[in-house]
Amino acid sequence: DTEVTQTPKHLVMGMTNKKSLKCEQHMGHRAMYWYKQKAKKPPELMFVYSYEKLSINESVPSRFSPECPNSSLLNLHLHALQPEDSALYLCASSYNTGTPPYEQYFGPGTRLTVT
Amino acid sequence: AQSVTQLGSHVSVSEGALVLLRCNYSSSVPPYLFWYVQYPNQGLQLLLKYTSAATLVKGINGFEAEFKKSETSFHLTKPSAHMSDAAEYFCAVSSSYFGNEKLTFGTGTRLTIIP
Repeated sequence: DTEVTQTPKHLVMGMTNKKSLKCEQHMGHRAMYWYKQKAKKPPELMFVYSYEKLSINESVPSRFSPECPNSSLLNLHLHALQPEDSALYLCASSYNTGTPPYEQYFGPGTRLTVT
Repeated sequence: AQSVTQLGSHVSVSEGALVLLRCNYSSSVPPYLFWYVQYPNQGLQLLLKYTSAATLVKGINGFEAEFKKSETSFHLTKPSAHMSDAAEYFCAVSSSYFGNEKLTFGTGTRLTIIP
């Protein structure tokens, strides 16, 4: 199984809502990533988890709160978002031991619209 | 900091013609380089990666790339374009960041195939 799954596929939320994005993989990867991709732009790294611990936060606003409850699951909790946060949110996973580079496997993304 | 530059945000080729997508890297050490493809409304799929084992790298779907240190380039080619190759292509460089690997993407090249 080389698949990263993300739910939901689409999400529309108001600026006062609280919602969560979910990402799951069963490849035994111990590194998981959240990226944000605006239209016609490349993905930008938001967070990296390594062995269920947050290891990189690319100065992301606190209205985005990541969580890694176990080695297969990654969540992104959303609260009080702004319209400019509308984007495609991509999850990825990879090994982080052995000989680099570590290929990242991407999920299909969640398209988020903030109204 | 390591970075990649993709020349040409849009490339159009006729079906059956050669595909050439350009990527130049900036790195003080031998880099790990990748090409990813993104089809509309989908996540990213790895086409190929350079790990210094060989300068000519073959990937999926008939694509290949050649690492040229003298030109700091890692251009992507395919001898004969197919309609299904229409997509966004991203060159990326991997760098170690506090014990983790961080992918930095180029701005992308949209490939259009003319029937």
